Amino acid sequence: GENVEQHPSTLSVQEGDSAVIKCTYSDSASNYFPWYKQELGKGPQLIIDIRSNVGEKKDQRIAVTLNKTAKHFSLHITETQPEDSAVYFCAASTSNDYKLSFGAGTTVTVRA
Amino acid sequence: NAGVTQTPKFQVLKTGQSMTLQCAQDMNHEYMSWYRQDPGMGLRLIHYSVGAGITDQGEVPNGYNVSRSTTEDFPLRLLSAAPSQTSVYFCASSYRSGMGTEAFFGQGTRLTVV
Repeated sequence: GENVEQHPSTLSVQEGDSAVIKCTYSDSASNYFPWYKQELGKGPQLIIDIRSNVGEKKDQRIAVTLNKTAKHFSLHITETQPEDSAVYFCAASTSNDYKLSFGAGTTVTVRA
Repeated sequence: NAGVTQTPKFQVLKTGQSMTLQCAQDMNHEYMSWYRQDPGMGLRLIHYSVGAGITDQGEVPNGYNVSRSTTEDFPLRLLSAAPSQTSVYFCASSYRSGMGTEAFFGQGTRLTVV
């Protein structure tokens, strides 16, 4: 099955700086890569996703990049704000499968 | 629009007790799943269902049972609770968009087995 590794496990950044989280996947058949954000006491929520026919996608301060050859993808958060503090999960799946394989999560703390 | 509703939010069980975690969704999604979240291990799939009457095992199914009699409900049963089942449990319902699968999660159930 798919194996998704995520690094780092914790990340502390100064407010206004950028944050980068990296994930690798093992199954070359995976072609859909979502990112979820989990705020304290809540369930994860989708924030951005990308398909394998696209190399980069941006949505305001967040962006995701994908290198299909190297089987890795990354989440970039620019101009971080206190409300960006949360746990972030990357995931991978194939477009014809409901199942998502999640990374272990990254706890991001934005220091004021 | 409630989305995915999980009950209870917190539960303490004694070793050997059984209980059912409830999950209901009002989005008419075909796919529902249960995950457990443990520190440093991310979200691990316990059981899932692709429609009423159809269930299957995920990555960590031992000690848990599920059933899906309706599209809306997907309860998770702990047969004989063990301390290793202390965790936060999330139910999710999903649909396939043009991109892939989007999962909607409930608020979670924090379970402690003593």
